[in-house]
Amino acid sequence: NAGVTQTPKFQVLKTGQSMTLQCAQDMNHNSMYWYRQDPGMGLRLIYYSASEGTTDKGEVPNGYNVSRLNKREFSLRLESAAPSQTSVYFCASSADPWGTGNQPQHFGDGTRLSIL
Amino acid sequence: AQTVTQSQPEMSVQEAETVTLSCTYDTSESNYYLFWYKQPPSRQMILVIRQEAYKQQNATENRFSVNFQKAAKSFSLKISDSQLGDTAMYFCAFMSLYGQNFVFGPGTRLSVLP
Repeated sequence: NAGVTQTPKFQVLKTGQSMTLQCAQDMNHNSMYWYRQDPGMGLRLIYYSASEGTTDKGEVPNGYNVSRLNKREFSLRLESAAPSQTSVYFCASSADPWGTGNQPQHFGDGTRLSIL
Repeated sequence: AQTVTQSQPEMSVQEAETVTLSCTYDTSESNYYLFWYKQPPSRQMILVIRQEAYKQQNATENRFSVNFQKAAKSFSLKISDSQLGDTAMYFCAFMSLYGQNFVFGPGTRLSVLP
């Protein structure tokens, strides 16, 4: 039972570098999400994809782009990394938008990203 | 905008004892969902328990139960018979009925002591 898989688990970047965080789910879920978690702030939504072919901004989208490559995969890209983007990033998925009803969101293990 | 507050940054409890984690939230909506998530050191986020606001009965899942006070906008988590494996960060979360808002609290770090 892989669930939601994120790669890489750890990454260190220099300011100005770009990188893409990968997320894949094998539960045939329609909706996928990217969050960042900073100490004392809980999770904040960056972008989400309610269904294949759609993406929408969340609470903190600036500095990020996303691609819903297919139903399984939802990637997060930092075009020009900044120290303020140092955080732990979580990908999640749910069967229907926002995990309503009896289908909650399932989370990946997270990616710890440090930008120097 | 909805907000979720967890006023206890850190808590500790002896193994086999009971502990209650507090959560309050602010919303003008009448129907919504509330969640408690557990994040152990491995960082995996795990859903512990969910409550629908339109249900008066408090949700329970084995050793985990909630005290949902809608009028007071309070949603506390009680962990009975605490186990060492319960050591983790616990996040309270609010979600609008149709998902247009999904907000997490800052978390409470719980340590279960042997």
